[in-house]
Amino acid sequence: NAGVTQTPKFQVLKTGQSMTLQCAQDMNHEYMSWYRQDPGMGLRLIHYSVGAGITDQGEVPNGYNVSRSTTEDFPLRLLSAAPSQTSVYFCASSYLGQGGYYGYTFGSGTRLTVV
Amino acid sequence: GQQVMQIPQYQHVQEGEDFTTYCNSSTTLSNIQWYKQRPGGHPVFLIQLVKSGEVKKQKRLTFQFGEAKKNSSLHITATQTTDVGTYFCGTDSWGKLQFGAGTQVVVTP
Repeated sequence: NAGVTQTPKFQVLKTGQSMTLQCAQDMNHEYMSWYRQDPGMGLRLIHYSVGAGITDQGEVPNGYNVSRSTTEDFPLRLLSAAPSQTSVYFCASSYLGQGGYYGYTFGSGTRLTVV
Repeated sequence: GQQVMQIPQYQHVQEGEDFTTYCNSSTTLSNIQWYKQRPGGHPVFLIQLVKSGEVKKQKRLTFQFGEAKKNSSLHITATQTTDVGTYFCGTDSWGKLQFGAGTQVVVTP
């Protein structure tokens, strides 16, 4: 049981390049989310999904795309990287059970630098 | 924007002292979740509160949900160096988990 796996752990991009951050979970969680964390800014929600085929925007969605074709995977795409997207990106997953909401499991993060 | 506000933003504590961090909302919340993030690490789920006036304890950590379900607190007694990190509160609304800005805790030996 690996939990939430994010790849890559580190990435350097040039301005204008595109890339996909991968996120996979093996806990059969229906909820998955992407956050970015900048120094002193806390965790800001980029996009989230409540199940396969369903995605929605969070607080800071501009410049990012997501899709959820399977329960397990929730990739985050940077369309045209900008220096302002330099950040640490976290993927997280959870589920809604009979007892209500449950805590989220976070991946170890991807540190992205755009030069 | 953020549904919850956290205070203080920074907390310097001497080892052995107690401290409290607060999480406030202008609207009634269905739940409050607390997470801890060690320096260089990822957030780790600590606890969830859902009932009005609910109090839960985890060793030296005491979590409380206000009677009106608009605020929450995390109290740590006899702070240890292992308590260093940032503590976040958040609320989950149908899969949309949004966080407060966090309280960064620094412990002085």
